Amino acid sequence: GAGVSQSPSNKVTEKGKDVELRCDPISGHTALYWYRQRLGQGLEFLIYFQGNSAPDKSGLPSDRFSAERTGESVSTLTIQRTQQEDSAVYLCASSPAFADNEQFFGPGTRLTVL
Amino acid sequence: DQQVKQNSPSLSVQEGRISILNCDYTNSMFDYFLWYKKYPAEGPTFLISISSIKDKNEDGRFTVFLNKSAKHLSLHIVPSQPGDSAVYFCAASAHSGAGSYQLTFGKGTKLSVIP
Repeated sequence: GAGVSQSPSNKVTEKGKDVELRCDPISGHTALYWYRQRLGQGLEFLIYFQGNSAPDKSGLPSDRFSAERTGESVSTLTIQRTQQEDSAVYLCASSPAFADNEQFFGPGTRLTVL
Repeated sequence: DQQVKQNSPSLSVQEGRISILNCDYTNSMFDYFLWYKKYPAEGPTFLISISSIKDKNEDGRFTVFLNKSAKHLSLHIVPSQPGDSAVYFCAASAHSGAGSYQLTFGKGTKLSVIP
């Protein structure tokens, strides 16, 4: 498909476990963003990657959250020692280098921490 | 503090009528505003945007109005169709020093268009 894909679509885990979420951006898109949406809330920015530049991590809520991106392709978001408040839909978006304001979103990963 | 506010969690409109969704923001550094539409179990899809140098942008049935002095924008959908039923998110961006155009979102307004 031509869109942003994310896996898994759903993840249920126990408190204290680590989880890894994956995002495949649209081919050729150099900018990649992670957001999360908690129940009844808007989307919250987490982290931004642009090419080989240092990522903007200003939205990560704690040091349990980290993300990596290999070049201009796949990104993984890792949450260590998950807590119940981490339960949310985690959304990935990508955009072309010179159209950063229009972001194309994936379907999200729904994370439930029991 | 919520920098982008959508004060109406839901809105019901009759098919064929106008839908008006409102959004207020507090950060004067925002220079680009977007509306996204979201269906259940799908990611948001881009609908329409407006730069702070404009006060109106139109695309088919969708028009966005920006009032910078009031820090207010609105999305007009006319005529409304049942397929427009979705959650609409207002979003704003300001180019940060780190180079990111991170979007700040409102909580969304659920639009229901009644046939």
